[in-house]
Amino acid sequence: QKEVEQNSGPLSVPEGAIASLNCTYSDRGSQSFFWYRQYSGKSPELIMFIYSNGDKEDGRFTAQLNKASQYVSLLIRDSQPSDSATYLCAVRPTGGGNKLTFGTGTQLKVEL
Amino acid sequence: DGGITQSPKYLFRKEGQNVTLSCEQNLNHDAMYWYRQDPGQGLRLIYYSQIVNDFQKGDIAEGYSVSREKKESFPLTVTSAQKNPTAFYLCASTRTSGINEQFFGPGTRLTVL
Repeated sequence: QKEVEQNSGPLSVPEGAIASLNCTYSDRGSQSFFWYRQYSGKSPELIMFIYSNGDKEDGRFTAQLNKASQYVSLLIRDSQPSDSATYLCAVRPTGGGNKLTFGTGTQLKVEL
Repeated sequence: DGGITQSPKYLFRKEGQNVTLSCEQNLNHDAMYWYRQDPGQGLRLIYYSQIVNDFQKGDIAEGYSVSREKKESFPLTVTSAQKNPTAFYLCASTRTSGINEQFFGPGTRLTVL
């Protein structure tokens, strides 16, 4: 079982719709959770982090964390073509110090 | 501007050569990391350093070496022992307190000829 799992996609949504990206993790004691956006050929860019159960909103982005079910999700409202990218989920596991474990990413395509 | 710089952006290596990738940060971060990314795959940790003059192996350290003589710098050497070095190499840094979000440099794309 992979430590951090994401559906590779591609996930296709029409412009203006809500995109929902999901991530599950195996280490129940994981403490912090991060979402990165990576455009093709570029380096990852931090979008949001969350460490408490519930929702955290930042503009069009909402991160949702459910520690009991061991999943974290990212919602993108009013999706734009510029949101088309690969979204990486990263988890700081128990006893990992400052290391992060990354999922393989979900490719999102926002279509006109 | 604060940030992380990596050089070169593109690097070509002949088989049997060692090459060194540069990573510099002016964010005053204590911890620095090197990752490798292959097409369609996630990031795999090569080496990391939490403090100057100390570093630890990550998940795929074989064929790589690092040094951390200065807080700002964490160069990665890809040795001839690394049999499949063609990849996108990413350097990241973070504080060692608080949430510890990692910030990435622009990356170096290494190709073996």
